[in-house]
This record gives sequence, structure tokens and C-alpha cells, in this order.
Amino acid sequence: ELKVEQNPLFLSMQEGKNYTIYCNYSTTSDRLYWYRQDPGKSLESLFVLLSNGAVKQEGRLMASLDTKARLSTLHITAAVHDLSATYFCAGRSGAGSYQLTFGKGTKLSVIP
Amino acid sequence: DAGITQSPRHKVTETGTPVTLRCHQTENHRYMYWYRQDPGHGLRLIHYSYGVKDTDKGEVSDGYSVSRSKTEDFLLTLESATSSQTSVYFCAISDWGDQETQYFGPGTRLLVL
Repeated sequence: ELKVEQNPLFLSMQEGKNYTIYCNYSTTSDRLYWYRQDPGKSLESLFVLLSNGAVKQEGRLMASLDTKARLSTLHITAAVHDLSATYFCAGRSGAGSYQLTFGKGTKLSVIP
Repeated sequence: DAGITQSPRHKVTETGTPVTLRCHQTENHRYMYWYRQDPGHGLRLIHYSYGVKDTDKGEVSDGYSVSRSKTEDFLLTLESATSSQTSVYFCAISDWGDQETQYFGPGTRLLVL
């Protein structure tokens, strides 16, 4: 059974600073997803990481995947207030599996 | 945005009453999912469908049933609502490919009194 653990669960950071959210998973996952959720809203897909060493970037966010370490990271560069949201990672336990297992989410607050 | 709607968007009901939530998609995606979101738990899969009339249980399926009679509609039924089913319910769709992800609907807030 795939388990996904994120840390930290809460993150308060100053504008302009850099930080990383970590996503560890317990068993093999053939892909790793990152989502963003604003308060009271739905989930928005950010990245899909398919293979070991995959790196994707969008604006101030960069996601990477290390399948050997069973670790994905979401790096935030020079944070701005608009990045305040809850970020979820999710894994899929293998090809043919339709199910995603989500972490509990990291609530990010960017303060001036 | 993926064409996914959920109805109702908000509902208040009483313990013991049946409740049906509807998810409707216009993307013709094969797979549909129902999740619940609760503080401290992230999202947990209730049921999913991999085709018309093909459904299976997820992590937290007790007390819930689903039906899919058309590609575009996936219904979630709480046969006899309990207070523990107070939650935000999200529908999602996907059509697995290399870059495919799950696209989420706007959510339904359900309060069971």
C-alpha cells in the first residue's frame, strides 16, 4: 500500500526567500503529482513527474523526482504572496492503478 | 479548465437521510473519481469508475455507493447520512496518458446534522 508523507505541514515564509517542500513515499510509484489548492477552491494540477531525475519548472516553482530515494521536492524561489496556498503531492502505485494516494498537504503562507 | 461540474455545491441534511451528489463531465474522459477532503487527512478516495457501469472501491468506501450509467455522469450516494460524512466532496476525471493528471471539479460541501 502506497503511503505519501509531506513535510512540513505548515510553512510560513517571508517574501523573497527560498524554501523546499518534501514528499516521501513508501513504495514504488511510477509517477508523482503536485497540486495546488487555494482556500475554499478546488485542486489545480501543477506538475506530473514521470521518471527518475525528472525536473519541471513553472515560474517560481520547481519540482523534482528521485525514485531511488522515493522523494519528490517542490522548491519555491523568491516567494511572493500569490504563492500562498496548500500544496499536495500524490503518487500512483503503478501502471494500471487508477488510484492516487495524496499527502496531507503543506499549507504555505508567504508574509511580507 | 476541464469541464467538470458538481451538484449541489452546498447541502445541509439530517442524519439518516439519503443524499446523492452528482458529477458531470464534458471531456469524455474514461475515468472518474470521488474523493472526500477533511482537515488533517488530505484527499481520500471513496470510489472510482473506469468505464460505464465499471466501478470499484477506494480507501474509504464504507457508507457510500456509486453509479455510472453514462460516460459523463458519476453519482455518489450516501445511503443513510451520518455526521462523520460531513466533508467536502470532490469529483475528478482523467484519461491516462504519459502526462495525464486528474482534473478536479469545484467540490460539494456537505453538512450532516
